[in-house]
Order: sequence, then structure tokens, then C-alpha cells
Amino acid sequence: EDKVVQSPLSLVVHEGDTVTLNCSYEVTNFRSLLWYKQEKKAPTFLFMLTSSGIEKKSGRLSSILDKKELFSILNITATQTGDSAIYLCASCHNSGGSNYKLTFGKGTLLTVNP
Amino acid sequence: DAGVTQSPTHLIKTRGQHVTLRCSPISGHKSVSWYQQVLGQGPQFIFQYYEKEERGRGNFPDRFSARQFPNYSSELNVNALLLGDSALYLCASSLVRPRVETQYFGPGTRLLVL
Repeated sequence: EDKVVQSPLSLVVHEGDTVTLNCSYEVTNFRSLLWYKQEKKAPTFLFMLTSSGIEKKSGRLSSILDKKELFSILNITATQTGDSAIYLCASCHNSGGSNYKLTFGKGTLLTVNP
Repeated sequence: DAGVTQSPTHLIKTRGQHVTLRCSPISGHKSVSWYQQVLGQGPQFIFQYYEKEERGRGNFPDRFSARQFPNYSSELNVNALLLGDSALYLCASSLVRPRVETQYFGPGTRLLVL
């Protein structure tokens, strides 16, 4: 069964702290790993990772994929209260024929206190 | 340009009833996927439609069905509602079927079953 596991499930930090969120996956016919931020309703796209060892950066956020060990991390430096959200990791993989689907983890609830 | 829209935003039903949720994709997007997100969990894949045909189905009972219309909008139907169907139902659209990584999520419909 395809599985994506995130840790920790929740995290409380103070503004300015650096956090690392973890995501491991076990899926068949893996294609890519995605990170989303979900604040109220719709998840918003952060990163897509397809190659091992290549860091993707966007401002204070960065992410990297290890396809040998089947995991990814999302780093947030100098956290701000606006970073408080659920961070979702999803594996994109083949679901049969030329069809692909996303399997999500449970998410990490990040709370940044002032 | 409008993003993915969903209606209604909130809905309250009782056990045994039927519900229809609607989704309009981004203009030009031909693929629509549906996800169920129960509180405290990540989104779970229900269906994917492309060019009005079902192209993928998650592990959901036959009470769940969907269709896509010629204008690429979509409906998700759930029959014989159970308490456990209470969730946020997310719709996502993408330009072409295989590129689920580039799908955009709508704001969701929050369904409460009493």
C-alpha cells in the first residue's frame, strides 16, 4: 500500500526559530515529491522535487529530496507567525496506465508563537 | 482570472441523505481531481476525471460517484451519508491529466453529517 509519513505531527516554536519537517514515502512508480502549505482551506503549492540532492529554495523555505533513503525535508528559517499552518507532503506516483495521483501524509501542524 | 471554485462552501446533512458538491476548474483546465480531507488528516484521493472520463479512483465505496461535464466542471455525489463522511472536500484542476503536480486546489466544501 502506498504510504507517506510526516513527522512531527505538530510543532510549536517561537518566532525566529528554525524548523525542519520530515516526510518519508513508500510508493510504487514514484515520480515526484510535493510540499504544500494549508492555512485555512485550499493547500497552496510550495515545492516540487524530482531529483535527489538538489535543494529548492524560496525565501526562508527550502527543501531537499533523498530518493535512495525515500525521504524529504522542508526547512523554514527565521520563522514568523505567518508561517503557522499545516504543511503537507505528497508523493506523485503512477496509479495505473498513464494515470498519476497524489498520496498525502497527515501533515505537520506548525504553530509559531510571537 | 478566477481560480478553482467550489460550491457550496458549507453544508449540513443528516445520515442517510444524499449530497452533490460542485467544482469549476480554472479556465482551460481539462482535468479535475477530488479529495476528502478528514480533520487531522491529509487529503485522500477520491477521483480523477479528464476529458469527461474517469481516469483514476481512490479507495472509496460505491456510495461515492462523480462526473465531468462538457465544460469540464465536475460534480461529486455521495449517497447514504454516514457520520464519517464529515470532511472538507477539495477539488483540484490541472491543465493536462498527467501533470497532477501542477494542479490547483479550490477552497473546498466543508460537509458536516449529523
